[in-house]
Amino acid sequence: EIVMTQTPLSLSVTPGQTASISCKSSQSLLHSDGKTYLYWYVHKPGQSPQLLIYEGSRRFSGVPDRFTGSGSGTDFTLKISRVEAEDVGVYYCMQNKELLVLTFGGGTKVEIK
Amino acid sequence: QVQLVQSGAEVKKPGSSVKVACKASGATLSSYGINWVRQAPGQGLEWMGGTIPMFDKAKYAQKFQGRVTITTDESTSTAYLELSSLRSEDTGVYYCARTYCSDGNCWRGPAYWGQGTLVTVSS
Repeated sequence: EIVMTQTPLSLSVTPGQTASISCKSSQSLLHSDGKTYLYWYVHKPGQSPQLLIYEGSRRFSGVPDRFTGSGSGTDFTLKISRVEAEDVGVYYCMQNKELLVLTFGGGTKVEIK
Repeated sequence: QVQLVQSGAEVKKPGSSVKVACKASGATLSSYGINWVRQAPGQGLEWMGGTIPMFDKAKYAQKFQGRVTITTDESTSTAYLELSSLRSEDTGVYYCARTYCSDGNCWRGPAYWGQGTLVTVSS
C-alpha cells in the first residue's frame, strides 16, 4: 500500500504571500504509461472537496494559475501564490497510480493571518 | 455539466446497514471510475472503495473489506454504497466522486463530487 505523507499539518499565511505544501509518497507514482498519478484537492468548510491539480502538475478546469503543482517520483509540492482569503481550507494530496486504489495524505490546514 | 446528487442524511443503529445513493446527471457513469470517500468528524479524507462499471470491477480499501459493497445501476446513472455492521466510528460524511478523462484515460482522479451524505450511527 502506498502511504502519502504531507507536511506541514497546518499553515498560517498572510494574504498576498505564497504557501507551500509538501507531499511524499512511499513509492514512486510514475506509471509505466509515463504519467505520474498525483493529485491535489482542497476541502473548504461546508463544501465538497475540489480537484486542483492532476497528474502532478496539470491544473484542472477553472483552477486559477495561482495554484502550481510540481515534483516527480515520490516528492511533490503544491504552491499557492498570492494567497487570498478564499483559499482557506484543508489541502490533500492523493495518489491513484493503480486503478481503483486511492490513498490520501493526512491533509494540511491553510489559514489566513 | 456533470452533477452528482446524493441521497439524504441517515441515522442508523449500531449493527445495522446503510445504503447511500449517488445519481449522476449530465453524463453516464459506465465509462468512468466512481469512488466513495468518507470524512469522519475531525478527520481527513479516507478512500473506501471504487468501481469502473464498464469493466464490472470494484475494489475496496482493506479497512472496509467484507463490510462495504459498491454497485451501479446504469439505467438510472446511480451508484450505491452499502456499509454493513455499522458502529459509532462509521459516523461521518460520505462522498461519491466520479473521475474525468485525461488523454483518453477516464478512470483515474476523482474530479466531480457529490454534496456528501451525513451518516450518524447512534443507539
